[in-house]
Parts: sequence; C-alpha cells; structure tokens
Amino acid sequence: DAGITQSPRHKVTETGTPVTLRCHQTENHRYMYWYRQDPGHGLRLIHYSYGVKDTDKGEVSDGYSVSRSKTEDFLLTLESATSSQTSVYFCAISEGEGSGTQYFGPGTRLLVL
Amino acid sequence: ELKVEQNPLFLSMQEGKNYTIYCNYSTTSDRLYWYRQDPGKSLESLFVLLSNGAVKQEGRLMASLDTKARLSTLHITAAVHDLSATYFCALSTSGTYKYIFGTGTRLKVLA
Repeated sequence: DAGITQSPRHKVTETGTPVTLRCHQTENHRYMYWYRQDPGHGLRLIHYSYGVKDTDKGEVSDGYSVSRSKTEDFLLTLESATSSQTSVYFCAISEGEGSGTQYFGPGTRLLVL
Repeated sequence: ELKVEQNPLFLSMQEGKNYTIYCNYSTTSDRLYWYRQDPGKSLESLFVLLSNGAVKQEGRLMASLDTKARLSTLHITAAVHDLSATYFCALSTSGTYKYIFGTGTRLKVLA
C-alpha cells in the first residue's frame, strides 16, 4: 500500500469555523490531490499540487484553500465551514508525470453542523 | 470539457452471472483507470488502460478500452459476493494533471 495518511479521520465542526485537513505521504511523489466524495457525484477535484508551493484549482475549489510547504504534506483548509462542505475528503498522490495511477488515502469524514 | 458517464449506476446480480459496466467519455484522453471502493473505505486501483484496444484482466474482472468509441468496459465473469463494491472509471486529461471520475457503479452480488 502507498504510504498516505490523512488526519483527522473524523471531524465534527460548526458552521463558520475554519478547518484544516492534512495529507501526509511517504512516497516522495510530486503530485498530490484533494477530492471530495458525495453521493451521486463520484469524486470531485478540489485542488491539486504539482510541487512544493505549486498548486492549482479543481472543479469545486470555492471555499477551500490549500498549501504545500513540503513534498510530503498537502493541507486543505475550509476557511469558514458550511453545511454544504459536509463530505468525505480523500487525498491522493500520483506517480510519474501526473498522468499515472493515483493512490488514495483512507479519507476524512467531515460533518459541519 | 471532459465528462465521464458510467452505466448502470446500480447493478444487482446473482452469483455466477456475467455483466458489463460501461464508461463513456466525451473527449480524447491519455489514460483510463478503473478503481474499486468498498463501503466506508478508500479507492483501490484495479487497472490502467493506455491505448486503443488495451485489455487487462485480473481474476473475474476484465477491462477494455476503445478510444475511437470513447468507451471502456469492465466485464465481470461469474460474479461472486466478494466483488460487491462500487466501481469507478476515471480519465486523465492531456496537458494537465487533473483526473475526472465517473459517478460510479454500485455492484451488489447476491448469493
């Protein structure tokens, strides 16, 4: 299994509070991704990173920001959590040039009340 | 814009039967992937298909790719209960590092 961990694994928070999710990899892969998974929508890309301090937006980036100060860590921040951000969040890494198989972390279940 | 459609969305089948899941996509793409997800778990890579006519097989699962038809299939042979899961196809897009996922096919194999 690819060495990807996510923390926390579960979180309950209140509307309006900031939340940061962490993804940590031990594979030294350059490319990292944040997805959210919701029923009926499959996986939707929030943000991705193609190197330290190099990030770009995905299809559902509003209300989210990311940072990558080290190869191994990719942080996702919900600046002011809303109930619509209740979801399961997956981090992924990809080998090679980015167009390779993605390996997924275990996921974080976030509930925004 | 690259779109990926899977069908069926839900599939209930008897053990021992064969069935096919379809993945259609709207524009050309570099690679096509199939993943499996068990309930409450993460996604696990099954196959990567790189070119037209590519076929990959693992156990009772076989995936194929027809780039001209923009279609990939995941064929299940003699289904067993352990294959019950949600299956996703995904594509990576040329010139970017983005991956687009289908909505998934939830497969339930009945004993």
